[in-house]
Amino acid sequence: DTAVSQTPKYLVTQMGNDKSIKCEQNLGHDTMYWYKQDSKKFLKIMFSYNNKELIINETVPNRFSPKSPDKAHLNLHINSLELGDSAVYFCASSQRRQGIVGNTIYFGEGSWLTVV
Amino acid sequence: DQQVKQNSPSLSVQEGRISILNCDYTNSMFDYFLWYKKYPAEGPTFLISISSIKDKNEDGRFTVFLNKSAKHLSLHIVPSQPGDSAVYFCAAVGGATNKLIFGTGTLLAVQP
Repeated sequence: DTAVSQTPKYLVTQMGNDKSIKCEQNLGHDTMYWYKQDSKKFLKIMFSYNNKELIINETVPNRFSPKSPDKAHLNLHINSLELGDSAVYFCASSQRRQGIVGNTIYFGEGSWLTVV
Repeated sequence: DQQVKQNSPSLSVQEGRISILNCDYTNSMFDYFLWYKKYPAEGPTFLISISSIKDKNEDGRFTVFLNKSAKHLSLHIVPSQPGDSAVYFCAAVGGATNKLIFGTGTLLAVQP
């Protein structure tokens, strides 16, 4: 069983389109995240939800909107896609919030988004 | 401002020898450090961690050393195996932001 699963794994789409990436975790964790790995390989947090409540919202364009229908799911919707949005997007989860010693974050396999 | 740095983008080691991956950080408020391993087309997987109250943590072939005064940590893999070939990310958390900050990774190639 995959602990953190996200779909689709690969997505090629045209500029201006709207797309969503779905994520589900079956670990019973309270906190979920979206990370972005850009072309320079930097892995940076975008959003974090704890029990469906948004707790981290980094400086990302408001074209990116996370949605958490329940604590096991955190979806990422992207409007009006741009070329610079091409990246790998990782969903992740942890038992508790970031910053707590001993709190390990578990990642999904990633979604490779290419905007053409 | 890159608070966690892995200055070696790649490292090549012979099978059976020791692999040493290095990581430097700038934020003295970091109090928990983690190493993640990433294979191509997969997500990072947790490998080992250490809190700032310790200077060493060992788990099988993997040992992490923390030198707080130098703001430096290292991951030792002994003996190295071809299956260890992957990208290794150092990460740190702590301080006001409480966000996990990742380094840019080091690609380890273990030659048979």
